Amino acid sequence: GQNIDQPTEMTATEGAIVQINCTYQTSGFNGLFWYQQHAGEAPTFLSYNVLDGLEEKGRFSSFLSRSKGYSYLLLKELQMKDSASYLCAVRDGDYKLSFGAGTTVTVRA
Amino acid sequence: ETGVTQTPRHLVMGMTNKKSLKCEQHLGHNAMYWYKQSAKKPLELMFVYNFKEQTENNSVPSRFSPECPNSSHLFLHLHTLQPEDSALYLCASSQFQADTSYEQYFGPGTRLTVT
Repeated sequence: GQNIDQPTEMTATEGAIVQINCTYQTSGFNGLFWYQQHAGEAPTFLSYNVLDGLEEKGRFSSFLSRSKGYSYLLLKELQMKDSASYLCAVRDGDYKLSFGAGTTVTVRA
Repeated sequence: ETGVTQTPRHLVMGMTNKKSLKCEQHLGHNAMYWYKQSAKKPLELMFVYNFKEQTENNSVPSRFSPECPNSSHLFLHLHTLQPEDSALYLCASSQFQADTSYEQYFGPGTRLTVT
């Protein structure tokens, strides 16, 4: 089966940096996605990694190490609107995504 | 309308009722998905349709019945549900291209409560 682990909750201060780790053990690997989900809303796409290394998109960056089965999402210059759940998902074939349970990030003033 | 829409947004039904959830995507995608999201649990993939053909049924009980009449519309027919089926049901769509990075676009979900 698929096993994707991420911390349940994280708290940080406005303006700070938070790193959300994700480790995975899956039967196959064809890319890793990060999604953001605000309470009561749809998940929205943040980033995609298929090769090792860092992908940067404004305040958000995502890193992947395939040999270690590890990824992280880095959120810089935190804003109150970044309070949300962050979902790590692994694509193990052509289209099927397996999700972690999500990390709830709370940003405090 | 843009993106992925779902109706109804909230649904309360008894265990003997029959209801349907509707999803529509306006993105020109060729794959559509149904997910179940329960509190504190990972999103669970239920069904996948690729070019209107069902390509995945993730061991879902038969009281859930999907229908995909065309690549823009997806339904989930519900009958004789159990209280543990109460959850957020999310629809998603994507472009299906095996060698191209793509993301799934999610609808806002239907919050289902089974009484």
